[in-house]
Amino acid sequence: GENVEQHPSTLSVQEGDSAVIKCTYSDSASNYFPWYKQELGKGPQLIIDIRSNVGEKKDQRIAVTLNKTAKHFSLHITETQPEDSAVYFCAASDPNQAGTALIFGKGTTLSVSS
Amino acid sequence: DGGITQSPKYLFRKEGQNVTLSCEQNLNHDAMYWYRQDPGQGLRLIYYSQIVNDFQKGDIAEGYSVSREKKESFPLTVTSAQKNPTAFYLCASSIGGGHEQFFGPGTRLTVL
Repeated sequence: GENVEQHPSTLSVQEGDSAVIKCTYSDSASNYFPWYKQELGKGPQLIIDIRSNVGEKKDQRIAVTLNKTAKHFSLHITETQPEDSAVYFCAASDPNQAGTALIFGKGTTLSVSS
Repeated sequence: DGGITQSPKYLFRKEGQNVTLSCEQNLNHDAMYWYRQDPGQGLRLIYYSQIVNDFQKGDIAEGYSVSREKKESFPLTVTSAQKNPTAFYLCASSIGGGHEQFFGPGTRLTVL
């Protein structure tokens, strides 16, 4: 079945720097790749997503890139702010479950220091 | 206010007891999901339902049961057969497969 690997597990940056989180997936039939941000004690919230027919998507300071050939996708956060500190999860749609379910990476704890 | 709610926020259970976690959504979504989250782990799928009166097992369904009698409700029962039930449980919904999943605030279950 689908497997998603996420790196790094922790990331510390200075305010204003950029942060990059990378994920790889195993099943080339996956076609939907969301990124979620989770603050302590809360449910995850979608911050950006990308589909397999698109190579890059941007939303203000956040961008996601997808390389279907290499089966990896990355989250880029520019001009980081302390409020960006949270756990970030990547996910991929699971073709083995009718594409309905998502398989999640183990998360990256991002710390932005001012 | 549209959204997805979970109750209770914190739940304590004695070993050997069954407990039911509530999940309600008023987003008119067809699909609903239950995930389990352990420290340092991603979210793992327990059960999902694509439509009323139908549901499928996820990767870690053993020791759990669900029902989907109404579109807006998808309760999860943690049975005594679940050997390690202490975790943070998250419910989500979406309009269907391959679309954004909206998450509830979660229920933290602790077995005493």
